[in-house]
Amino acid sequence: AQSVAQPEDQVNVAEGNPLTVKCTYSVSGNPYLFWYVQYPNRGLQFLLKYITGDNLVKGSYGFEAEFNKSQTSFHLKKPSALVSDSALYFCAVRDNTGGFKTIFGAGTRLFVKA
Amino acid sequence: DGGITQSPKYLFRKEGQNVTLSCEQNLNHDAMYWYRQDPGQGLRLIYYSQIVNDFQKGDIAEGYSVSREKKESFPLTVTSAQKNPTAFYLCASIGDRRDEQYFGPGTRLTVT
Repeated sequence: AQSVAQPEDQVNVAEGNPLTVKCTYSVSGNPYLFWYVQYPNRGLQFLLKYITGDNLVKGSYGFEAEFNKSQTSFHLKKPSALVSDSALYFCAVRDNTGGFKTIFGAGTRLFVKA
Repeated sequence: DGGITQSPKYLFRKEGQNVTLSCEQNLNHDAMYWYRQDPGQGLRLIYYSQIVNDFQKGDIAEGYSVSREKKESFPLTVTSAQKNPTAFYLCASIGDRRDEQYFGPGTRLTVT
């Protein structure tokens, strides 16, 4: 069975500091991994994905994520946080063995203080 | 413009009534999804469909039903059997298994 864990309900950082939002996953095969961001009362917007290849993935708005197969993790990072990054962030996983089923984590609220 | 539309944005119903949420896409995507979002619980998968006339239950399918008669449309019916139907409902689609999901703007359902 697929599952995703985002261990932190909220992450607080000061503007200009680096940020990390954690994600660990479980799938029976190899994973396709995704990060999305959600602003209030809106749908989700795609940030980045890992499919195969380089473990460090770069995405929209300066975000990046590192795939770590041994730790089954896919943490989202940004070198310098902006107040406008404050939002709800979701990690998602899909098993690459053939299905379309996609499972999301519970979400992490990022709060960037000026 | 290509995208996913969900209507209406807000929906109010009395307890005991069935209600159908609309999801339409013009992206020519094969797969479509319905998720339910509740505070602190993230997105939970209700149903998904990989192709027309086929769909699979997600993790919380009880009290919901879907149909996929057309590629463009994947309506969700919230039945009176759903114990806690008040939530934010999101529809999504993808064209290929390696693709990211495209999400609609969501429908906020309130049942009183």
